[in-house]
Amino acid sequence: EDKVVQSPLSLVVHEGDTVTLNCSYEVTNFRSLLWYKQEKKAPTFLFMLTSSGIEKKSGRLSSILDKKELFSILNITATQTGDSAVYLCAVTPYNNNDMRFGAGTRLTVKP
Amino acid sequence: ETGVTQTPRHLVMGMTNKKSLKCEQHLGHNAMYWYKQSAKKPLELMFVYNFKEQTENNSVPSRFSPECPNSSHLFLHLHTLQPEDSALYLCASSQDLGQGNSPLHFGNGTRLTVT
Repeated sequence: EDKVVQSPLSLVVHEGDTVTLNCSYEVTNFRSLLWYKQEKKAPTFLFMLTSSGIEKKSGRLSSILDKKELFSILNITATQTGDSAVYLCAVTPYNNNDMRFGAGTRLTVKP
Repeated sequence: ETGVTQTPRHLVMGMTNKKSLKCEQHLGHNAMYWYKQSAKKPLELMFVYNFKEQTENNSVPSRFSPECPNSSHLFLHLHTLQPEDSALYLCASSQDLGQGNSPLHFGNGTRLTVT
């Protein structure tokens, strides 16, 4: 059965720290992996990854995919309190509407 | 404003009530989705519509009934719900089906409490 596992489930850091969030998956006919940030209600899109080894970067956030080992990481450098949120990983297969989400990692950044 | 608007924001209903959740997207997208988000569980896909035609019903109980009159509007009709149906119900849209090339755009959700 397809599944997406995120770790850790929760993480507490202080401002300025660097964090790495993990997402591993088992999906038939993998097409893409996406990261979302959910602060209060609506998850907002961060990155879409389809190819191994190509880093996507946006400001202090970056992400990379390893299709051989079936995982992705999301890095956040110099964390700020505004980075506090639940980070969701989702995987989409080909020819299938079913996008599998992980349970999320709850990140808390303390001042 | 996320481009996807959901109403109401909060809903408390009894087990015998009938209510409806509404979603509207202003992005010109072709696909719309209903997701259920329960505490400490992954987002669960409930229904998918593509060009207002239902393409997915993920084994959802019949007490949840979706309706998609056009590509911009999506409803979720609720009837005789159970307390375990209490959750955040998220509507989303995407340009194309399946998020393979286009990410989901989510609304702020409806926080549903069934008493």
